[in-house]
This record gives sequence, C-alpha cells and structure tokens, in this order.
Amino acid sequence: NAGVTQTPKFQVLKTGQSMTLQCAQDMNHNSMYWYRQDPGMGLRLIYYSASEGTTDKGEVPNGYNVSRLNKREFSLRLESAAPSQTSVYFCASSASRDRIVGEQFFGPGTRLTVL
Amino acid sequence: SQQGEEDPQALSIQEGENATMNCSYKTSINNLQWYRQNSGRGLVHLILIRSNEREKHSGRLRVTLDTSKKSSSLLITASRAADTASYFCATDRDDKIIFGKGTRLHILP
Repeated sequence: NAGVTQTPKFQVLKTGQSMTLQCAQDMNHNSMYWYRQDPGMGLRLIYYSASEGTTDKGEVPNGYNVSRLNKREFSLRLESAAPSQTSVYFCASSASRDRIVGEQFFGPGTRLTVL
Repeated sequence: SQQGEEDPQALSIQEGENATMNCSYKTSINNLQWYRQNSGRGLVHLILIRSNEREKHSGRLRVTLDTSKKSSSLLITASRAADTASYFCATDRDDKIIFGKGTRLHILP
C-alpha cells in the first residue's frame, strides 16, 4: 500500500500562473483534506471532501478550488497563484463515520514557491 | 480560527527526561488526536482519545483529556533523541479536523 501520495513534491510558479496539485489514497477512505502549512504554524484546512461527490470550504479557501475526482483522488487547483500562496501543502485522508473523523493519514507534502 | 492551542510553543529537555505538552480547545469535541511532525515531513498520527475517555496510553505516550476544562495533555516518558519533532493536537468539528500551532520539542543529548 502506498498510502497517500502527492504530486509534485516541489513546484515554483510565477505570480498569475495556475497549477493543480494531485493527491491519491489507496486506503478506501471516504474523507480527504487539503491543508497548507506556513513556517512556525500549524496546518490550516483549505478544503475537504467528507465523501465522494461532496466538497466543502475549510478555514482558508480563498484562491483555491478542489475536485473530488473519485473516491481515491482529490485535487487542489490554484487558478492564479499569488506570493501569499507560497507554502507547504499536505493532503490527508481518513475514515469518518457519522461526521466523526478518525485518524488522518498524510502525504509527504508539496513545497510550492510563488515568485 | 484554530480550535486547539498547544502550550508551550517550544520545549527543550535532556534525553531520558519526561516531556509534557498541553492543548486547550474551545468547543465541544467527539475526539482529540495528537500528531507528530518531523522536520519537513507529513504528520504522523500518535493517539486518539474519545470525549468519553479520560486517559489513554500507547507505549511511552500518555494522553489525558479533561472535557470540563477543554484541555488535554501529552506526556512522553523517557525521551529519546528521535522524539525531537513538532507535536500537534487536533480536534474534530463537523466532518473535519482542526490543528493547533504545535509544540516544538527538542531533546538534548
């Protein structure tokens, strides 16, 4: 089992460029999440998908869009990158039931720099 | 806004000593989790304690939960160099988990 995989591992963008971060999990989890982590900070939730076919905003959704492509895959898109989006992005998945979230499994992260 | 807040922000102790870090949160929860993050890596789940539990153990880890005070503590006994990492508490709220800013733990040789 690969667990949670993310691509790419590193990316440098210029202001205004767009890109999509990919995430996939092979644990048959129903819930998936995108976080960003800035230096010295905890993780802040960008968007999440409690189940296939649903997505919801987290704490910091502005400037991002997501797609839950199927049960395995959850992508994060930056339509017009800004320097404030320079961060490390983590994808996670978990089994959840009755709106209660269990243990989260994290990908290795994508380091994004926007110039 | 962040639900959980860890205290202290940073902690340095000698190898072999015990390390205690605390987490306070604001609203009612179903469960509280602790995670570890080694520098530059993804988070790794350590332990989950449900709201109806008061204490839980896993190896050298001991977690307590006081729902009346809305607080939790993580105790790492007999610390090792490999325990050097950041530790985060996370509380659940409506299908999602909200993380605190973490405690940076440094184990001195």
